[in-house]
Amino acid sequence: RKEVEQDPGPFNVPEGATVAFNCTYSNSASQSFFWYRQDCRKEPKLLMSVYSSGNEDGRFTAQLNRASQYISLLIRDSKLSDSATYLCVVNTLDSGGYQKVTFGTGTKLQVIP
Amino acid sequence: DGGITQSPKYLFRKEGQNVTLSCEQNLNHDAMYWYRQDPGQGLRLIYYSQIVNDFQKGDIAEGYSVSREKKESFPLTVTSAQKNPTAFYLCASKPLPGRGNQPQHFGDGTRLSIL
Repeated sequence: RKEVEQDPGPFNVPEGATVAFNCTYSNSASQSFFWYRQDCRKEPKLLMSVYSSGNEDGRFTAQLNRASQYISLLIRDSKLSDSATYLCVVNTLDSGGYQKVTFGTGTKLQVIP
Repeated sequence: DGGITQSPKYLFRKEGQNVTLSCEQNLNHDAMYWYRQDPGQGLRLIYYSQIVNDFQKGDIAEGYSVSREKKESFPLTVTSAQKNPTAFYLCASKPLPGRGNQPQHFGDGTRLSIL
């Protein structure tokens, strides 16, 4: 089982739609979680951190479910500019005490006019 | 402005040649990372380092080497042993866990191609 798994998509949605992505992780001791956005041929950029209590930033809502070991990202009222690949990131302490950062393979979103 | 600088942006390598990719950060971050991304694929961890003069292999370290002589710098050498080096290479940094679970910051990346 991969450490972090995402549906690669693509998710093709019309403008104004609500779209949800999920990401599962295998290590129950993982400590922190993030969503990044990556545009084509660019570096990943932090979208938001993810907490158990849930957090919202405008049209974006992120949620962590530790019991089921998944995180989610909800995008409301999709814009054309939301088209990108969304990467799930999980931080875990490895056996040597080093913090290992693991990326999912990303979910591609295409918002259609 | 604080940030991570990767150079060069584009790099061409002849077969059998070693090349070194530069990564410098002025964010005072302790941890630094190198990733490789192939077209249409996710990021794969090559090496990471949490303190000067110490680094750990990631998932795909074969054919690569790194050094961490200074906190600010974490250069990656792609050796001739790496048979398929064409990819997008990303450097990242973050504070250590003890300073809160902070996200990584990325450089703009280096695109490496074989001539």
